[in-house]
Amino acid sequence: GAVVSQHPSWVICKSGTSVKIECRSLDFQATTMFWYRQFPKQSLMLMATSNEGSKATYEQGVEKDKFLINHASLTLSTLTVTSAHPEDSSFYICSASLAGGLHNEQFFGPGTRLTVL
Amino acid sequence: GENVEQHPSTLSVQEGDSAVIKCTYSDSASNYFPWYKQELGKGPQLIIDIRSNVGEKKDQRIAVTLNKTAKHFSLHITETQPEDSAVYFCAASTNNAGNMLTFGGGTRLMVKP
Repeated sequence: GAVVSQHPSWVICKSGTSVKIECRSLDFQATTMFWYRQFPKQSLMLMATSNEGSKATYEQGVEKDKFLINHASLTLSTLTVTSAHPEDSSFYICSASLAGGLHNEQFFGPGTRLTVL
Repeated sequence: GENVEQHPSTLSVQEGDSAVIKCTYSDSASNYFPWYKQELGKGPQLIIDIRSNVGEKKDQRIAVTLNKTAKHFSLHITETQPEDSAVYFCAASTNNAGNMLTFGGGTRLMVKP
């Protein structure tokens, strides 16, 4: 149980285009989903927290107009990187918290590697 | 806010030896401490966690200890195997922070056969 999927697992795009990454909780309902960014050999950096049906809360330094987050249902959150540039290339990972589950537990997706040319 | 520090950043052990990774945290309100294993190109996988009402937890070859007074917690892996090689992250969380996790910097564990 508690499986989180991400799609796509990797994407290559041209500079200036937008890319959408999906995060799904497959066998549970998630009231809260988190989006992280990870650079090579570094730790996970929280970008934003999204609750179903409300606006995402962005961490300091993360541009909300560049990284659009939508959490339309209890099983799906999307991250759209708008007008992507090479510096946006990174490993993006989502996680989900169980609705009604034990506090604090997060289950992570497999990640999406974005390469912007 | 919470600050989590993790040591060492790299750890190399011989197969069969034990490995210990240590983390310290700053927020005394933190009450949940998970450990994640991340293999190359994959997302983190929860391997064990501990809550502040417990001092130690064990799951086969893996154990975690928590010292709330000193605000540190440790991961212990016994009888290490080559497949234990990965990056390990500790994290801390409080209920007041909306389930938000603060991660340590990670430890690259290499188990030599």
